[in-house]
Amino acid sequence: AQSVTQLDSQVPVFEEAPVELRCNYSSSVSVYLFWYVQYPNQGLQLLLKYLSGSTLVKGINGFEAEFNKSQTSFHLRKPSVHISDTAEYFCAVISGGYNKLIFGAGTRLAVHP
Amino acid sequence: DTAVSQTPKYLVTQMGNDKSIKCEQNLGHDTMYWYKQDSKKFLKIMFSYNNKELIINETVPNRFSPKSPDKAHLNLHINSLELGDSAVYFCASSPVKGNEQFFGPGTRLTVL
Repeated sequence: AQSVTQLDSQVPVFEEAPVELRCNYSSSVSVYLFWYVQYPNQGLQLLLKYLSGSTLVKGINGFEAEFNKSQTSFHLRKPSVHISDTAEYFCAVISGGYNKLIFGAGTRLAVHP
Repeated sequence: DTAVSQTPKYLVTQMGNDKSIKCEQNLGHDTMYWYKQDSKKFLKIMFSYNNKELIINETVPNRFSPKSPDKAHLNLHINSLELGDSAVYFCASSPVKGNEQFFGPGTRLTVL
């Protein structure tokens, strides 16, 4: 069965600093990977997705992620964060033939002024 | 013009009661899902319906029963509520395999 590990439960960072949120997944023949963001008391919003093709994926709000098959990783990056990026970030992988999303435990990004 | 909507947003009830949460999507998607987010923010799929047919049924107590009257609606009925059922329940929908899932705003269920 697929699994996802988010290596950091919390990441504190100062405003305008770069950030990387780490995600590793269990290996599979084919893999679809996603990053979702959850702002306080809201639902989940898709940041970006990797289905195939270029390993560098650009998403909304200036985020990007790189699919690394050899390291089974899909780390999320942003070169300069804002206070408004403070949220919970979830890495997810699709497992099986029915579009079942398997989520990591989440990383809380806290951006400080 | 909300894409995926859920009602109610908040639900507070006593142990032993029966309650329902409703979900509707206006995206024309064929597949809908229920996820549970616990107090530690961990998200886990519970059920999925494709065009009114149950296709995913995770290890969930049979007190939980999903119902899909049509492909735009997926409701979740919970019998004999327990303290451990307290969580945020998210509905989601998607068009085809491999595409993103669109999430509703969530329903925060509190069982006292």
